[in-house]
Formats: sequence, C-alpha cells, structure tokens
Amino acid sequence: QTVVTQEPSFSVSPGGTVTLTCGLSTGSVSTTYYPSWYQQTPGQAPRTLMYSTSTRSSGVPDRFSGSILGNKAALTITGAQADDESDYYCVLYLGGGIWVFGGGTKLTVL
Amino acid sequence: EVQVLESGGGLVQPGGSLRLSCAGSGFTFSSYAMNWVRQAPGKGLEWVSIISASGGSRYYADSVKGRFTISRDNSKNTLDLQMNSLRAEDTAVYYCAKGQFSANYYMDVWGKGTTVTVSS
Repeated sequence: QTVVTQEPSFSVSPGGTVTLTCGLSTGSVSTTYYPSWYQQTPGQAPRTLMYSTSTRSSGVPDRFSGSILGNKAALTITGAQADDESDYYCVLYLGGGIWVFGGGTKLTVL
Repeated sequence: EVQVLESGGGLVQPGGSLRLSCAGSGFTFSSYAMNWVRQAPGKGLEWVSIISASGGSRYYADSVKGRFTISRDNSKNTLDLQMNSLRAEDTAVYYCAKGQFSANYYMDVWGKGTTVTVSS
C-alpha cells in the first residue's frame, strides 16, 4: 500500500521561513504525481493552496511556493504569519484515477 | 461564485446505508470531475472517490471499493455518494470537491462538508 509521508508537526517563528515536505513510500515524488497542497484550520473545510507542484491557486499569496526538493514535494512559506497556523495536507495523484493524501503537518507559528 | 454544497449526512447503524448529495453552482458542472474526500474525527483527509465529467469513469479508494458508489446527474448539477455496508470507521465529515482531472490533477473547490456517524 502506497503511503504519502509528511512531518506530523512543525514550528516557525513569525516572519520566518518553513518548508514542509511530502514523500512517497515507494520512491521519489516527481512532477508526474501532480503534487497539490491544502490548508485547513480546525472546523473548516480545506482550502486549495498549490497544484501541479508549484502553481498557486487563485488568491493565495506569493509567500507560499511549491517545488520538488530532492525526492519530495515541498511547500515553502516565506515570512510566516500568525494566520498561517493550520494543518497542511499534500496529495499525490498515483494515476489510474487514484489519489493519496499525506497524514498532514500541523504548523505552529510562535 | 463557484460553490459546492453537501447534504444527506446523519446517524446510521453499522451495516446500514446512507446517500450523500452535493449540489454545484457557479460553474459548468458537466465540464468537471467531482470528488468525495472524508475526514474522520481528529484525523487527516482521505480521498474516497472521483467521477469524471461525463460520469463514464469512476474510481474508488480501496477502503470503500465495493461498498460505495459515486454517481452524478449533470442535468441537475448534482453529485451523489451511495454508501452501503457502513462501518464505524466510515464515521467522518464528507467533503465534496470539484476536481481537475486532465491537464492537471487536484481538487480546487471544496464544500463545507456533511457529517456521517456510524454507530449503534
């Protein structure tokens, strides 16, 4: 069974930079997995941040960026703000109509 | 405004059935794939199923295959999820999400979710 891995938690100082990653138990993540990222605050629906590795969704500030770093997809927040404190999920498209979400990263800004 | 709105959640006994619905508005519903994604209490997101724009292709997560059926009615701009043989582990908030399923692959618009509780 394919598992998508994310850091369970991360902490960043206000104004700081943090990079969250998204890995694959079966090997390297590449752009062919169309990694996308979602932000979710407690009790709210997810919000789409990034798709196709590095394309920001409409209305997402440019301090959010996406990339492939080594063998993982990555979401970088530059100049973190208090309202960036959320859960962040990546999802990979495995092909054949199948998606798998990572377990999510709880980001704390303090 | 592009919106999707889920309905149909509730309390059901183990082994029972429930049908969720999702209404799309503000976009050409028949042009887009649609997904169901769920989130168990205190847990992460889990992709459940996707149906292509025409309804001709349907895919499921292994955890629901054979028990859940996704369908759509493009004349009514609605998406459904028929859930049978429900288990306690199906308890979750179920989100409907408009999808991209060709040049790009992701979920771009999410509903607020509907809660399904499987319990005796």
